[in-house]
Amino acid sequence: NAGVTQTPKFQVLKTGQSMTLQCAQDMNHNSMYWYRQDPGMGLRLIYYSASEGTTDKGEVPNGYNVSRLNKREFSLRLESAAPSQTSVYFCASPKVSGKTGELFFGEGSRLTVL
Amino acid sequence: GESVGLHLPTLSVQEGDNSIINCAYSNSASDYFIWYKQESGKGPQFIIDIRSNMDKRQGQRVTVLLNKTVKHLSLQIAATQPGDSAVYFCAENIGGSYIPTFGRGTSLIVHP
Repeated sequence: NAGVTQTPKFQVLKTGQSMTLQCAQDMNHNSMYWYRQDPGMGLRLIYYSASEGTTDKGEVPNGYNVSRLNKREFSLRLESAAPSQTSVYFCASPKVSGKTGELFFGEGSRLTVL
Repeated sequence: GESVGLHLPTLSVQEGDNSIINCAYSNSASDYFIWYKQESGKGPQFIIDIRSNMDKRQGQRVTVLLNKTVKHLSLQIAATQPGDSAVYFCAENIGGSYIPTFGRGTSLIVHP
């Protein structure tokens, strides 16, 4: 049972290059999220998808786009990477049960923009 | 500013001691709280949660206390082990949303 799988695990980009981070979950959850984590800071929400076919902005959406390809997959795209986007990116999906909802996270994608 | 914060960025303890990690939140509408553990190079993992209609919840070696009066949350780890060394995040959910707001985290260092 893989849970949440992210690819790639590491990536180095030059300023202005584009790339897509892939995320897939095999838990049949409706919602999926993308967070970024910077040193000394908590996780900040970039975009989320409450269900297949819907996406919404989170706290820090500028410079990113997302696609909810199907129920399993939620990708994050950087159209023109900037050094400020150097970060660790986490995909997550909540297991909602009644009024509780713990998040299951991927292992992270470490992105460096030069 | 952040609605969820931590009092201590780093906590060092000796193996076998009890650890207490604190968290303050500012949004009185928050009704569901979760503690996550993040080991180096990995994604956060769920430890324990608590709803606002409770003030204490216990798991295996961990206890979460919630004081709604002062908007304070704590995670207690009994008999701390080297494997407990990690960054611990508290997260709050507001009004039925399952999109938590995370604090900055506390680094727990356990000395053998």
